[in-house]
Parts: sequence; C-alpha cells; structure tokens
Amino acid sequence: IVLTQSPSTLSLSPGERATLSCRASQALRGNYVAWYQQSRGQPPRLLIYAASNRATGIPDRFSGSGSGSDFTLTISSLEPEDFGLYYCQQYNSFPRTFGQGTKVEIK
Amino acid sequence: QVQLQQRGAGLLKPSETLSLTCAVYGGSFSNFYCTWIRQAPGEGLEWIGELSYSGINNYNPSLKSRITMSMTPSKSEVTLNLASVTAADTALYYCARGQGFYMDVWGKGTTVIVSS
Repeated sequence: IVLTQSPSTLSLSPGERATLSCRASQALRGNYVAWYQQSRGQPPRLLIYAASNRATGIPDRFSGSGSGSDFTLTISSLEPEDFGLYYCQQYNSFPRTFGQGTKVEIK
Repeated sequence: QVQLQQRGAGLLKPSETLSLTCAVYGGSFSNFYCTWIRQAPGEGLEWIGELSYSGINNYNPSLKSRITMSMTPSKSEVTLNLASVTAADTALYYCARGQGFYMDVWGKGTTVIVSS
C-alpha cells in the first residue's frame, strides 16, 4: 500500500493551524493509520493511532481524522516544538508502509 | 518507563552481515512485537520487519531473503541480522516496540555505513 502525504512542506507561523494529508492507494479497513512526529536528530514519536486516537501523553492540539483512504492530521495551534517532520503509517497489511513525510517549517 | 537501547557495528564492508541488538529496559517484549525500521540519509522511513514475543515474524519482501530476527528466551533482547549488505543498506536503523501494528516506543537509532 502506497501512502502519499501532502503537502511535502508546510510553512506556518507559531499559533497557526496545520493540516496534513495522507492518502492511501487503497482503502484501509479499520482505519489502520498511525501518525508520527520526528524532530531533528530524534527517533519518531507516536502521535495518533487508529486514525484518531491520541497516544499517551500527546497534547490535545493534535488530532487525527479520516476514513477509507483519506486521513488528516491537524495541529490546532502550532507550538515551537511542533516544527519538524510528520509521517503517516498504515498497518492494514504487510509490509507496513510509511508516507514520504510532510515537513512543517517556521514561516 | 520502558526504554530501548541499541547496539551493534556501525561500519561494514560490502557482503558482510549487519547485526544489531535491541535491548529493552524497564519492561520486556513479552506480549509485544519488536519492529525494525530504517531511514536512509535524507529519506523517509522503511519498515524492515517485526518479531513477536511468540516467535511470529513478518518481513519486508524487499529484504526477506537476507533477514533473520531472533529473540532471547528472557524476551529482553532482539537481534536483527541482515546478510550481504551493500551501500544501499547504509541507513539509520531503529528498533521499536509495538503490538504488531504501530510502534509506541522507539530506540535512539544506530547509524550503519556500508563502505569498502
């Protein structure tokens, strides 16, 4: 399953809303999508699983939505620590695959 | 708090075998999967494969012929072996713990460079 993330780069200011898209090449039953954040020099951190469930300790400004083959990660109001890379991942089938990533950068 | 620590050789020659170990502290792999993921320089994330506490493995077909994963009886360590490496295997390798779906605890990563 190929995951296509858009946009590749999102240039925003702190306090603004970020909307990241992840489109799958086929429908994902059970909405089996996870989102990860990767800051520079750090391993990825799980943000969202099953499309809309926040992982432990993740602030509520992060939210996930979507179904079928279209999924969205929304950051309601960007904090300085939110700038970085974001990846979606599907676990509908093997091999698990990731999107190519969206970079959220400071405008 | 569960932590994963990785160890293994970081510099290999072509045709050698990559061997990385992931050790879990503050917990174990009992009832969990250990997943390996890699990230080539400037690239995204590639799922290598996973091994469950019960011995079930799933590997990426693109690497399947060269991969073996094993877990210690204590369920505290998992080793990844990748045979016949080439420059294309140069990457940052992560181990992560999960339920076989998504990964909620990640190691810090090990840089592996393949060069003659």
